[in-house]
Amino acid sequence: DAGITQSPRHKVTETGTPVTLRCHQTENHRYMYWYRQDPGHGLRLIHYSYGVKDTDKGEVSDGYSVSRSKTEDFLLTLESATSSQTSVYFCAISPPRFGGVTDTQYFGPGTRLTVL
Amino acid sequence: EDQVTQSPEALRLQEGESSSLNCSYTVSGLRGLFWYRQDPGKGPEFLFTLYSAGEEKEKERLKATLTKKESFLHITAPKPEDSATYLCAAEPIQGAQKLVFGQGTRLTINP
Repeated sequence: DAGITQSPRHKVTETGTPVTLRCHQTENHRYMYWYRQDPGHGLRLIHYSYGVKDTDKGEVSDGYSVSRSKTEDFLLTLESATSSQTSVYFCAISPPRFGGVTDTQYFGPGTRLTVL
Repeated sequence: EDQVTQSPEALRLQEGESSSLNCSYTVSGLRGLFWYRQDPGKGPEFLFTLYSAGEEKEKERLKATLTKKESFLHITAPKPEDSATYLCAAEPIQGAQKLVFGQGTRLTINP
């Protein structure tokens, strides 16, 4: 298994509260990603990082922010959670391929978030 | 718009009954096509990467193939432990590092 952990694994929160999810890797890979998975939508990219303090938006970034101050940690923050952000969140990591282009993404175990 | 469509949404087979799952993709130039397996309550597990039309890769009872418009995941003589959701994802050349996922095929193998 790729050395990826996510915390918490389950969280229930109320609308309007801030929430931070953590992804931690032990592989020292440069690229990290946050996805959400919802029935009928599949996996959708929220944000990704291509290095410490280097991040970019994905397909569904509204309402989310990220930070990466260390290679091993990538944080996803919901500043003010809404019920539409109830989902399962997956972190992924990817080693650089030859030429610096990414290759296969390896996924963590996921965090199930419920916003009431 | 880049898009990946998988079919069927769900497939139920008897143990030993071979079949294929389809992944059709429309992307602005394909850099790579990925297959993952996902068990309930777990993260996707990497299976294969295909890079060019005509390429094939095998792992136990699974074989993935790629054409210019679609990919197939062939399952030969499946066993109940092959039951899972199979995900396909395309990486466009222009949107490198950004995978576009299909919605998956839920496969059930009955003993």
